[in-house]
Amino acid sequence: EAGVAQSPRYKIIEKRQSVAFWCNPISGHATLYWYQQILGQGPKLLIQFQNNGVVDDSQLPKDRFSAERLKGVDSTLKIQPAKLEDSAVYLCASRSGGLVYEQYFGPGTRLTVT
Amino acid sequence: AQTVTQSQPEMSVQEAETVTLSCTYDTSENNYYLFWYKQPPSRQMILVIRQEAYKQQNATENRFSVNFQKAAKSFSLKISDSQLGDTAMYFCATSGSARQLTFGSGTQLTVLP
Repeated sequence: EAGVAQSPRYKIIEKRQSVAFWCNPISGHATLYWYQQILGQGPKLLIQFQNNGVVDDSQLPKDRFSAERLKGVDSTLKIQPAKLEDSAVYLCASRSGGLVYEQYFGPGTRLTVT
Repeated sequence: AQTVTQSQPEMSVQEAETVTLSCTYDTSENNYYLFWYKQPPSRQMILVIRQEAYKQQNATENRFSVNFQKAAKSFSLKISDSQLGDTAMYFCATSGSARQLTFGSGTQLTVLP
C-alpha cells in the first residue's frame, strides 16, 4: 500500500511570494490533515478535511493560508503572501475514517522563507 | 482542549541499554487515544505505539512498551535494547473525539555506540 505522498520536499522563497504544497493521501482515506511544524516544536494542526469538506480550519491563518481538497482525494495548501515566520515543515496526514484514530504522515515539505 | 507535555528536551542512551521517555497530558474527554511517534532526520513521522485510554493493559510493540497511568495522566515510553536506528525525535500525542492529534514538544533521543 502506497503511503502519503507530498511534493515538493523542499522549497525556498522570498517573503511576500506565494507557494503551494501538494498532498496525495493513502488510497481510500476519507480524512486529510495539514500540520505546521516549526523547528524545535511539535506539529500543530492547520486544517482537517473529511472527503472534500472542511471539518476544522480554526487554526488556519486565513488571511494568507488557503487549502482545498478537490474531489475528496488530493489536497493543496497555499500561502500568499509568505512571511518569515512561515518557515517550517508542512506535514500532510491521512486517516481512513470512522472509529479509526491512527493518522499516517507524508514525508513533509520544508519551507524556507528568506 | 487537550495539552501534552514532554519535559525532557534531550536524552541519550548507550546502545543495548534501556531508556524511558516521559509524557504527561491533559484532556477533558473520556474516550481518547495516546500515541508515540518517531521522527528521524528524514522528517517522516512514524507511528511507534498506541494506547487506548479505556484499556488498562499497557501496549507493547517488540522493543517498545508504554507505562500508562490514567489517573496521573502519564504516558511514558520505554525502549529496550536500544539500537542506533532509534536515534530520532520522539513525540507524544493524544487524540480525542475530533480525531485530531495534539503533540508535545518532543524529546530528542540519541543512541550512543
